[in-house]
Amino acid sequence: AQSVTQLGSHVSVSEGALVLLRCNYSSSVPPYLFWYVQYPNQGLQLLLKYTTGATLVKGINGFEAEFKKSETSFHLTKPSAHMSDAAEYFCAVSVGGSQGNLIFGKGTKLSVKP
Amino acid sequence: EAGVAQSPRYKIIEKRQSVAFWCNPISGHATLYWYQQILGQGPKLLIQFQNNGVVDDSQLPKDRFSAERLKGVDSTLKIQPAKLEDSAVYLCASSSGTNSPLHFGNGTRLTVT
Repeated sequence: AQSVTQLGSHVSVSEGALVLLRCNYSSSVPPYLFWYVQYPNQGLQLLLKYTTGATLVKGINGFEAEFKKSETSFHLTKPSAHMSDAAEYFCAVSVGGSQGNLIFGKGTKLSVKP
Repeated sequence: EAGVAQSPRYKIIEKRQSVAFWCNPISGHATLYWYQQILGQGPKLLIQFQNNGVVDDSQLPKDRFSAERLKGVDSTLKIQPAKLEDSAVYLCASSSGTNSPLHFGNGTRLTVT
């Protein structure tokens, strides 16, 4: 069975600092992995995804993530945080190769200090 | 393109009452999902439709929850009777196929008192 663990329910960084949000997964089959962002009172928006191919995936708003099979990780990074990045971020793994049937982590709330 | 529309945005009911949520997916999207997001947790899939047929409802509490997607477009999710633990945001999402990414609506926040 698949599962996702996000380390740290709350991460705080200064504007301009590196953003690192951690995600580890468990999957018995080659995983599809996703990062979604949720702004207050809104639905989720896809940041980036890994299905096959290149293990370093670039997404919207300057975010990227690297699939590391040996570490079962898919950490999200951004070199320089912006105030507008403050939101909740969810890592997810797919079930059965579907991009819609997903198992989500509990989320990490990112705060950005001026 | 217009996004996924959901209504109402907020609903407050007492336990044991019934409630219904409505979702209109992006035009042409054959696949529709309902997710439940309890405060402090990630979304959990309740049911997946492909056109008007159910693909996966293994996590839907069928004793109180029901969902339908008539004509393969709009969908409704119903809870009857509601329990306190049903308080959550109910998110609808659609995609053009099971191997395509999700587009989420803004959700319906349900409070059961």
